[in-house]
Amino acid sequence: GENVEQHPSTLSVQEGDSAVIKCTYSDSASNYFPWYKQELGKGPQLIIDIRSNVGEKKDQRIAVTLNKTAKHFSLHITETQPEDSAVYFCAASGRDDKIIFGKGTRLHILP
Amino acid sequence: NAGVMQNPRHLVRRRGQEARLRCSPMKGHSHVYWYRQLPEEGLKFMVYLQKENIIDESGMPKERFSAEFPKEGPSILRIQQVVRGDSAAYFCASSPQGKGYEQYFGPGTRLTVT
Repeated sequence: GENVEQHPSTLSVQEGDSAVIKCTYSDSASNYFPWYKQELGKGPQLIIDIRSNVGEKKDQRIAVTLNKTAKHFSLHITETQPEDSAVYFCAASGRDDKIIFGKGTRLHILP
Repeated sequence: NAGVMQNPRHLVRRRGQEARLRCSPMKGHSHVYWYRQLPEEGLKFMVYLQKENIIDESGMPKERFSAEFPKEGPSILRIQQVVRGDSAAYFCASSPQGKGYEQYFGPGTRLTVT
């Protein structure tokens, strides 16, 4: 079955700097890669996603990249702000629509 | 348009009691998924249901856990004879027909077993 690895587990960046979170997946049949943001005491919220026929997608300050050959995908957050502090999860989904999550990255934005 | 609703938000049970967690999907969504999240961990898939059908329960423990999604009413995740190890946050997600990969999560139920 699919296995998703996510790094780093914790990331601290200065406000205004960029943050990058990286994930790898194992199943070449996976074709959909969502990213979720989870704030304390809340459920995960879908913030951006990418399909396997696209290499990059951007939405304001967040962007995702996908390298199908290497089975890597990444989340980039530019000009970070205090409200970006949260836990971020990458995930992969394939033919059966089952979503497999990474273990999460706790992002701290330092003032 | 209301999002996915879960209740209760917090549930405390003594060892051996039963826990019932409810999930109402987003309007127009016909697929429901249950996940469990342990502290400092990611979300682990438990079960995928459509109305009156369990599609995939490969992540459900074989004993004490059951799930249903009746024709009318919310989806229910039921845990019988709870043990301390069942303490976790349980999240429900829903997706529209034909887009099972596009899942929207509820706020979760935090179960504490004392």
